[in-house]
Amino acid sequence: ETGVTQSPTHLIKTRGQQVTLRCSSQSGHNTVSWYQQALGQGPQFIFQYYREEENGRGNFPPRFSGLQFPNYSSELNVNALELDDSALYLCASSPVPQWAGNTIYFGEGSWLTVV
Amino acid sequence: AQKVTQAQTEISVVEKEDVTLDCVYETRDTTYYLFWYKQPPSGELVFLIRRNSFDEQNEISGRYSWNFQKSTSSFNFTITASQVVDSAVYFCALSEVGDSSYKLIFGSGTRLLVRP
Repeated sequence: ETGVTQSPTHLIKTRGQQVTLRCSSQSGHNTVSWYQQALGQGPQFIFQYYREEENGRGNFPPRFSGLQFPNYSSELNVNALELDDSALYLCASSPVPQWAGNTIYFGEGSWLTVV
Repeated sequence: AQKVTQAQTEISVVEKEDVTLDCVYETRDTTYYLFWYKQPPSGELVFLIRRNSFDEQNEISGRYSWNFQKSTSSFNFTITASQVVDSAVYFCALSEVGDSSYKLIFGSGTRLLVRP
């Protein structure tokens, strides 16, 4: 039990549509990260938010965007969905202060299928 | 460039056998952290261990043990007397102090199947 919850668990979208994935972190965890995990691969860092501002981004196009809210919840938005966006999207949170040795706690993820 | 390699894609063992999962990493940082996570079919990544680059002591936790060797840039994970419940995908990951986002860089994972 990591205290990180994600919704929805599974969803199917059509190419070109937009999707919003949601995450609720543990109280006190002011850093939230999102990872994309394609089938058979390791998770890839999308971006990170700290105190509601983006604080690092991986190699993902601008159509991947996010928001972090004061109540420890966050969103991942993906516009103009492509077939290759089909993946497990993992939300992760960690406590303040953020440092490389923090244990990062993951949710169970949202499985997105784009058809 | 930073990189984590898990060369074993899939390993199948019979229950009670010992099994070692290999992890090799690349980094230019002198200070970094290494992690192992377990991912059962539900998808959630379960934290197993964190190690910093200055601590090369091996660690044992029950049936799990970890061998960190800086000279070979390896951080291997051994499960002793494996059980069916150990079946999962295991990921090794790296986090660098020099990276302001402290993101985790994952390997491609090793799927472990423990047969009864």
